[in-house]
Formats: sequence, C-alpha cells, structure tokens
Amino acid sequence: GEDVEQSLFLSVREGDSSVINCTYTDSSSTYLYWYKQEPGAGLQLLTYIFSNMDMKQDQRLTVLLNKKDKHLSLRIADTQTGDSAIYFCAETPTGTASKLTFGTGTRLQVTL
Amino acid sequence: GAVVSQHPSRVICKSGTSVKIECRSLDFQATTMFWYRQFPKKSLMLMATSNEGSKATYEQGVEKDKFLINHASLTLSTLTVTSAHPEDSSFYICSASNGRAPEQYFGPGTRLTVT
Repeated sequence: GEDVEQSLFLSVREGDSSVINCTYTDSSSTYLYWYKQEPGAGLQLLTYIFSNMDMKQDQRLTVLLNKKDKHLSLRIADTQTGDSAIYFCAETPTGTASKLTFGTGTRLQVTL
Repeated sequence: GAVVSQHPSRVICKSGTSVKIECRSLDFQATTMFWYRQFPKKSLMLMATSNEGSKATYEQGVEKDKFLINHASLTLSTLTVTSAHPEDSSFYICSASNGRAPEQYFGPGTRLTVT
C-alpha cells in the first residue's frame, strides 16, 4: 500500500525558516497536501499542490515537489511561535473526494 | 476555507453504551465525508468513506457493525460507536469534500473516552 514518511521532530528559532520534508511511495499521487494540527484540534488545510507542478507559494509558505524522487517539502518563512504544531503531509491518487493517506506527522517547535 | 463542525467535542461514556458523533459541513454541500481515528501522538487512520445517500465504504479491519455511519444529507454524516469499550477511546475526526475540488476540510475532532 501507499507509504508516506516524515521526520518526527523539528526545532527552529523564531524568525528562521522551517523546512518540513515528506517522502511518499505512490507514483500515482495526484494531489499532495499539507495540514497543520494544533494540540487537541482538528486539521487545518494549509495548502496543496497538483502533481504536475514543481512549486507553489502562498504568503509565507512554499511547497516544493520533486516527483522523480517522490519528495515533498514545506518551507515556512519567518517562523513564528504560533507556527508550533504538528504538520502532516498527505497524498491522494485521484484528487477530488478520495481518501487521503497521511504521513506520520512532524512536530515543529519554535523557540525564542 | 470551508467550515466543518463536529459535535460533541468531548464525550465520556460507560462501557457497553453507544455514542453518536455528528459531522456537519456548514457552508458547502459535502457529497463525501471521511471518518478518521487518531491515537495519541500518531497519524490519522481512515476508518470509512461516506457518500451521501449510499452505504459507507469501510477500510480493512474496521467493523462496520460496530462503527455505524450514516450520511443522510449533503451536510450531515454521523458515526455511532456501538457497545463501546475502553479500547474505542480515541480522537475521532471527520473530513468533508464537495466532490469537485481537491480540498478536504476537517472538523475539530471529538475526544471519546470510554470508562
């Protein structure tokens, strides 16, 4: 089955950039997503990228996709303490209204 | 983004009782809703896919008679945990899709504790 992997933990200083990485195995992935989860809360959709794109930027967020290496990254510029959370990448093979396969989640800790 | 609500946010029930969790899409019509379960410090595990007006599709290993899913309208899906046991204690999260766009929006989750 599909497998999505992430590193478990990342610590950055406030103001620095954060880069969260994700690798996946499903070569038929159509859309890849980044979600943010704060303690005790649901998941907030941050952004998503279509598989024929290499990069997508949205304010402080930059998503890079290397389809050949099946590698997805999320860069957060000027990281703030409010960015501390768990970040999940997810992929789906067919796009709309199809189930997501989630990564293991990366806990981002932002220090002062 | 679109808003998805869940009710209740927290529930404590006794072993053997049943609990119903509601998932509502507040500002869009959700042709498909998904139910996930999340264990502490773990990722989300898909339990079932629910399409409006039809039977839910359950993932392997998920008991359909224990986790009853109903998607009676385009804005509401319910998950009923029947004859709950302590091992059913978990964080249950739903998501919703309008079937046309790639976005899936998640509810805030329901913390179920079975004593």
